[in-house]
Formats: sequence, structure tokens, C-alpha cells
Amino acid sequence: GAVVSQHPSRVICKSGTSVKIECRSLDFQATTMFWYRQFPKKSLMLMATSNEGSKATYEQGVEKDKFLINHASLTLSTLTVTSAHPEDSSFYICSARDWGRETQYFGPGTRLLVL
Amino acid sequence: QQQVKQSPQSLIVQKGGISIINCAYENTAFDYFPWYQQFPGKGPALLIAIRPDVSEKKEGRFTISFNKSAKQFSLHIMDSQPGDSATYFCAASRSTSYGKLTFGQGTILTVHP
Repeated sequence: GAVVSQHPSRVICKSGTSVKIECRSLDFQATTMFWYRQFPKKSLMLMATSNEGSKATYEQGVEKDKFLINHASLTLSTLTVTSAHPEDSSFYICSARDWGRETQYFGPGTRLLVL
Repeated sequence: QQQVKQSPQSLIVQKGGISIINCAYENTAFDYFPWYQQFPGKGPALLIAIRPDVSEKKEGRFTISFNKSAKQFSLHIMDSQPGDSATYFCAASRSTSYGKLTFGQGTILTVHP
């Protein structure tokens, strides 16, 4: 089956620093990637949709200058949390969709803790 | 109109029993309905999915029942096992929206041995 990886799996940073999370599709080309945020015991909240080579589309209420998304290739998307604050602490999950397929494959998630 | 409502919030089932989770949607433009299973600290994994042109789909112990007129769909887990204990999410998407998923609220399933 299709595999999506995320790196790092866990990150702890100080308030005010920036953190980059990578999402890779390992065995397929992902024309579309999605970034989600999940709070404990809650559902997944879509943050943004990114298509390779174009700007990401952010959901209402998501600060595009704070959560920078780049989808530079068909196998890699990155999420950068800029000037992170404790309220940005969360579980961030990416998913990738293969061209022509309906299925989204999710990465294992990245746990971010901002101190 | 984009919401997907899922129930129950939590479910406790004995080993060997049937687990049933229900979802309802409002947007008739949705045309793809997947179910995901998520273990703590992990990303969701696709279990099974259905399109509105069929009323039921079965894969192993997992069955989706779909009622287009009622705008409802459900997941049935037959012969539930302790290893099925996880959070289950229903979702829906439109083929014209890059596959953007709208998730239900999730159901925490506990299967007692």
C-alpha cells in the first residue's frame, strides 16, 4: 500500500522559534497534500490543501503567515510553524492523494510541544 | 452543510460482538465516504470506503451500509476484537474538491476481552 512518512515524529522547541515538518509520499506521486491539526481526543481539523507547484489554500481561521506550507515536488510537502507559541502545541498530520485516486493516505503524525 | 455528524461518541463492546458506528451528512454533493481507524499517537489508516452508487460494501469483518435517501452511512465491525479498540472516524468528500475530507467527530471504541 501507499506509504506517507513524516519527520520529525516528535519535536520540542522554545517559544519564538520556527519548526519545519516534512511530509513525504514514499511510493507514489502526490499531486495534492493536506495538513491537519488534531487536539487530544478530537477530530482532525483541516488546515490547508496544497497542490504541487502552486500556493496552498488555507482553511478559514488558519493564519497563512504562521503556518507556511510548501509543496515543491510531487513527493514532498513541508509545514513550517513560524514563531511558535505554546498554543501551537498539537499533533500535526499530513495526508497525500495520488493523482486519479480518491484515497488519501495519512502520515504517522508529528507531535509538537512548544515550551 | 459541510458537516458530518458521527455517533456514538464512545462505544464499549464485548469481544465477539458487533460494533456499529453511524454517520449522517447534509451536503448531497459528497460522493466518497471513507472510514478511518486511528490508534493513539498514530495517523489515521483507511479501513474501507464506499461511493453512493452502492448500498453496502464488505471487506473482511468491516461493512459499510449506505442509505443515500436518508444521507446516512454506518460502519459495522463483526466479531469485534480487543485489537479493534481505537478511534474511528467517518469522512466525506466531493470529487471536485481535490478530495478534501470532512471528518466526523470520532468514536472511541473499546472492545473488552
